[in-house]
Amino acid sequence: NAGVMQNPRHLVRRRGQEARLRCSPMKGHSHVYWYRQLPEEGLKFMVYLQKENIIDESGMPKERFSAEFPKEGPSILRIQQVVRGDSAAYFCASSLRGNYEQYFGPGTRLTVT
Amino acid sequence: ILNVEQSPQSLHVQEGDSTNFTCSFPSSNFYALHWYRWETAKSPEALFVMTLNGDEKKKGRISATLNTKEGYSYLYIKGSQPEDSATYLCASSGGTSYGKLTFGQGTILTVHP
Repeated sequence: NAGVMQNPRHLVRRRGQEARLRCSPMKGHSHVYWYRQLPEEGLKFMVYLQKENIIDESGMPKERFSAEFPKEGPSILRIQQVVRGDSAAYFCASSLRGNYEQYFGPGTRLTVT
Repeated sequence: ILNVEQSPQSLHVQEGDSTNFTCSFPSSNFYALHWYRWETAKSPEALFVMTLNGDEKKKGRISATLNTKEGYSYLYIKGSQPEDSATYLCASSGGTSYGKLTFGQGTILTVHP
């Protein structure tokens, strides 16, 4: 059973460009979570999604960031007009249900130049 | 306690030593306590999820306990091995949703042969 997959693993964007990060959950998992690790900091919750629904976006920055988990296909974290402060590792996790253990992907390392 | 806090920040032990770390978390709006093991360049690996006061879980040489009334959890490693070297993270879930994990900064364990 393949684990959580994220792509790309590394992404370089210039300031002002858009970044799209993809996450395919484990087979059978319908709950997806995004976390961010800024340099020298711990993992911080961003958003919790179920298929076609945002359950909790209390950790999402108010502007430029959006997330979706469509009925078909991977979950997407989208960052518009990236700035240097967006440089971080973005981790996706999935679970069978909302109160079960979360399985993490390998992360996408975003560098904004 | 307002945040999830872990101690110590780092720990160096000799092969064969037993060790333990502490995780403190807010006891209000608590749903579950998660422990993860995170090796460099890999994904965080789920170890335990505990929800009930007094819960004890065990996986091989690693075990964990939970006290929800006073807001702390202990992780124990018996007979440490060099392959146990990793960062051990705890996270509490609750607050705005069951799926939102609030992570501590982690305890970095180094086991010397």
